[in-house]
Amino acid sequence: AVQMTQSPSSLSASVGDRVTITCRASEGIRNDLGWYQQKPGRAPKLLIYDTFNLQSGVPSKFSGSGSGTDFSLTISGLQPEDFATYYCLQYYDYPLTFGGGTRLEIK
Amino acid sequence: QVQVQESGPGLVKPSQTLTLTCSVSGASISSGSYYWSWIRQPAGKGLEWIGRIYTSGSTNYNPSLKSRVSFSMDASKNQFSLQLTSVTAADTAMYYCARSSCNDGVCSVLPVDWGRGTLVTVSS
Repeated sequence: AVQMTQSPSSLSASVGDRVTITCRASEGIRNDLGWYQQKPGRAPKLLIYDTFNLQSGVPSKFSGSGSGTDFSLTISGLQPEDFATYYCLQYYDYPLTFGGGTRLEIK
Repeated sequence: QVQVQESGPGLVKPSQTLTLTCSVSGASISSGSYYWSWIRQPAGKGLEWIGRIYTSGSTNYNPSLKSRVSFSMDASKNQFSLQLTSVTAADTAMYYCARSSCNDGVCSVLPVDWGRGTLVTVSS
């Protein structure tokens, strides 16, 4: 199975900051990578698909980049509602595998 | 807009079989090129993809659970189900069902539309 290593596992930032979360795949996954945001008690919400495509309704403050094995999610101009846990997911090969998650906290 | 909703027993005894159902509205589970997935999340932990069933009924399971899990579809009820046998405390988790989507005619297995989840506790 493709292993997804996500870093950092936690991150403290302030309102207005720009942060970047990374995921590294254990083998090449083309661009078959998505990013989710999960808030406490809620289901994950898809933000980015195919590495850099913004899901409908998601603000452009979220952006994705990368290819092959290294990927990143950048969030610009952090607002209070952005503090949540973020997960990457590869869907290049079965089984689909998630990164371990990044908990984004308010500094 | 498609909506999916999980339902299940809430509490299951060790060694028993867990059965969960995902009810779908706003779309037919037997048409289109959609993948219907199950994902679970133990409390305070990360997400684990359990597997998926395609509109045709074909399935793909996570090898970590493959010997214990099976999916089925009931087109007449517009539902699909998960069965997990020989459950243990390690199967205690929030279980989500989700549907994939197609963009510009290209369909992938990426889960897009998620239900709210149903909490399953395995305990005697």
